[in-house]
Amino acid sequence: AQSVTQLGSHVSVSEGALVLLRCNYSSSVPPYLFWYVQYPNQGLQLLLKYTSAATLVKGINGFEAEFKKSETSFHLTKPSAHMSDAAEYFCAVSTNFGNEKLTFGTGTRLTIIP
Amino acid sequence: EAQVTQNPRYLITVTGKKLTVTCSQNMNHEYMSWYRQDPGLGLRQIYYSMNVEVTDKGDVPEGYKVSRKEKRNFPLILESPSPNQTSLYFCASRKAGGSYNEQFFGPGTRLTVL
Repeated sequence: AQSVTQLGSHVSVSEGALVLLRCNYSSSVPPYLFWYVQYPNQGLQLLLKYTSAATLVKGINGFEAEFKKSETSFHLTKPSAHMSDAAEYFCAVSTNFGNEKLTFGTGTRLTIIP
Repeated sequence: EAQVTQNPRYLITVTGKKLTVTCSQNMNHEYMSWYRQDPGLGLRQIYYSMNVEVTDKGDVPEGYKVSRKEKRNFPLILESPSPNQTSLYFCASRKAGGSYNEQFFGPGTRLTVL
């Protein structure tokens, strides 16, 4: 079984401040982990993924995430928030172990304060 | 242009009237999935397919059917829609093999069942 918990359904940060979105996962086998972004009225776009290579993963738009097995976490960060980062962010887990099951978290809506 | 298309984009229907939401991808992807997105619940996988004639249940398959007769198409069928199936639906596809290739999402179908 696999699951994802995103702490904080809404996060607000000031423009230029650090963005930190939290994700904890549960998986009985080594996981693949993802962050997706959804802009208003659009589909989802992949930000970054962890697939058992480097634990610090860099994605698009200056985002990165660190896989910490001991904490079962995959938090998303960006050093300096831009207004264009306002969106909803979803963490997801898959085992890719003979099936295509992908489990998403409930999402975190990020608001940027000018 | 590489893309996943869904039709219709918006649909209002009544309880019990069978409907089909089409999904098509032009990237020759093996894997395809359907998700529904509901406020506070994130995205939940309905069904997925790993190739032609190979489909399996996701986390919320009740009330839905799918088929995969051709590689490019993966329609979602609601035989007898009910109001609790009012939701935003996304189709997604990705290529098999390698290091968990990226999922590409369609633009979404907003379904209202009265």
